[in-house]
Amino acid sequence: GAVVSQHPSRVICKSGTSVKIECRSLDFQATTMFWYRQFPKQSLMLMATSNEGSKATYEQGVEKDKFLINHASLTLSTLTVTSAHPEDSSFYICSALTGAIPDYGYTFGSGTRLTVV
Amino acid sequence: KNEVEQSPQNLTAQEGEFITINCSYSVGISALHWLQQHPGGGIVSLFMLSSGKKKHGRLIATINIQEKHSSLHITASHPRDSAVYICAVRRGTSGSRLTFGEGTQLTVNP
Repeated sequence: GAVVSQHPSRVICKSGTSVKIECRSLDFQATTMFWYRQFPKQSLMLMATSNEGSKATYEQGVEKDKFLINHASLTLSTLTVTSAHPEDSSFYICSALTGAIPDYGYTFGSGTRLTVV
Repeated sequence: KNEVEQSPQNLTAQEGEFITINCSYSVGISALHWLQQHPGGGIVSLFMLSSGKKKHGRLIATINIQEKHSSLHITASHPRDSAVYICAVRRGTSGSRLTFGEGTQLTVNP
């Protein structure tokens, strides 16, 4: 089945630095990738939707200059948290859209736990 | 009121028990998904439903479109079933984003 590889699984960075998270579709082409953020004991919050070759669509309240999303190829989407601060510490997870209307499926990465110190 | 509501929020069971998790939604949907989130955070898609019932191993998922309700059942529960189970719906006919429930934390004790 479809597999999305997400790296790194854990990262600790200093405040003010940038962190890049990668999601790769291993055996299929991911034209659409969703990026989510999850705080402890809460559900997934959609940050942005990226489509290969075009600019990402950000959800209201998500700073596009802080959370840079690049989806330059059909197998790789990246999320860069720029000038990270402790409040950016969270669990970030990607999900690739598979299939086609009306039978969309969703394959999730394994997530990245970001800690900003 | 959330568009997707799950119950219960937390559920503790003894190994072998039959478990039911419920999901109600208030919007028109094209599909409903049940997801399993492991303690490490990874998420696995269990079922996609647009009508009726699906079964995979000890897991059964049902949906009633008229009542806007879905249930996830686990038969002969096992400690390895301990996880957060999330109901998510895809709205409309052309959009692809999901709307998530808050999740149900299931703990199965040996």
